[in-house]
Amino acid sequence: DAGVIQSPRHEVTEMGQEVTLRCKPISGHNSLFWYRQTMMRGLELLIYFNNNVPIDDSGMPEDRFSAKMPNASFSTLKIQPSEPRDSAVYFCASTPGQGAPSSYEQYFGPGTRLTVT
Amino acid sequence: GDSVTQMEGPVTLSEEAFLTINCTYTATGYPSLFWYVQYPGEGLQLLLKATKADDKGSNKGFEATYRKETTSFHLEKGSVQVSDSAVYFCALSDLGNSGGYQKVTFGTGTKLQVIP
Repeated sequence: DAGVIQSPRHEVTEMGQEVTLRCKPISGHNSLFWYRQTMMRGLELLIYFNNNVPIDDSGMPEDRFSAKMPNASFSTLKIQPSEPRDSAVYFCASTPGQGAPSSYEQYFGPGTRLTVT
Repeated sequence: GDSVTQMEGPVTLSEEAFLTINCTYTATGYPSLFWYVQYPGEGLQLLLKATKADDKGSNKGFEATYRKETTSFHLEKGSVQVSDSAVYFCALSDLGNSGGYQKVTFGTGTKLQVIP
């Protein structure tokens, strides 16, 4: 099993540019989560998909952020336009099931370190 | 809503010392509890979990017991090693009022540094 795959691993861009982060969940997992991690705010849930449908996007900071999951094996998180305060590590995670039980663990990808200058 | 509170770090210990990282929670339903570990430059990975009251999760010498009466899930290890240096996250997973969907809440993380 290859685990959760994220690309790119590092992204450096200038303010105002569009940034697209990519995630491939573990095959067979039907829930996918996007998180952002910073020193100041810790680990924040941005959005959560179940069976490719967005369930909870209340964590998306503003309209500059959007996420899609066109199929079960691929998701994107897009920031347009990017700002320096978006600099963070962005993680994607997946779980094998949904609903009961709540005991499913999350499988995290290695993250994308985004730097916006 | 659900919340997880864990002790502030960083925690610095000498090798072979005893480790405790405190974690308490509030939840509306009957959550499952987890400890995740994050090594430098990596994503979080599951360390151990417990799914009901009085369950004990254990892995790699780490243990935590689900205490419903004190709403706690403290992480312990009898003898830490330099290789245990990492950030540790307490988390809960609850269906609660989320419409039947799993909702996961993480603590802020506790950085552990073990010195030789």
